[in-house]
Amino acid sequence: QKEVEQDPGPLSVPEGAIVSLNCTYSNSAFQYFMWYRQYSRKGPELLMYTYSSGNKEDGRFTAQVDKSSKYISLFIRDSQPSDSATYLCAMFNDYKLSFGAGTTVTVRA
Amino acid sequence: EPEVTQTPSHQVTQMGQEVILRCVPISNHLYFYWYRQILGQKVEFLVSFYNNEISEKSEIFDDQFSVERPDGSNFTLKIRSTKLEDSAMYFCASSPGSVGNTIYFGEGSWLTVV
Repeated sequence: QKEVEQDPGPLSVPEGAIVSLNCTYSNSAFQYFMWYRQYSRKGPELLMYTYSSGNKEDGRFTAQVDKSSKYISLFIRDSQPSDSATYLCAMFNDYKLSFGAGTTVTVRA
Repeated sequence: EPEVTQTPSHQVTQMGQEVILRCVPISNHLYFYWYRQILGQKVEFLVSFYNNEISEKSEIFDDQFSVERPDGSNFTLKIRSTKLEDSAMYFCASSPGSVGNTIYFGEGSWLTVV
């Protein structure tokens, strides 16, 4: 079983739609859960993080963590063409991040 | 806004040659990392570094690889005797503390081994 699983998509939505992204994981030791955005051939850009279970909202972005199910989600409301990118989930333990494969999202104008 | 800077942005090297990738972490950060991403694959952890020592390393980070903080600002990754499969984007990252919620990445150094 992979440590972090993420559906690579691709995911295509019309402008204004809600984008829903998720990851599952197997390591119960993970405490910090991050979402990064990555454009082609660029470095990952930290979007949001959540500590342990719960929800966190930042503008149009909402991150959710359910540790009992080992499941995390990212929702993007009112999606814009500029949100088109690859979204990576990542989890931290023992001085390192473990990344998902990334989901490629295209928001159509 | 402070950022992690990496040089070179792209390097082409012959198989068997040594390569040094350089990074300037964010100035008040104490933890430094190298990750790599082979084209089309996920970002993979290589090594973390704190207080002039390796904190953690992955199975990928074998004797072919080494890291160094030669002065107060630079953090380098050396790859000896490069192989074709070392072709990847290498990302440097840094964080102010050991908690993983504030790890910031550079733009990457694209290494092509021919």
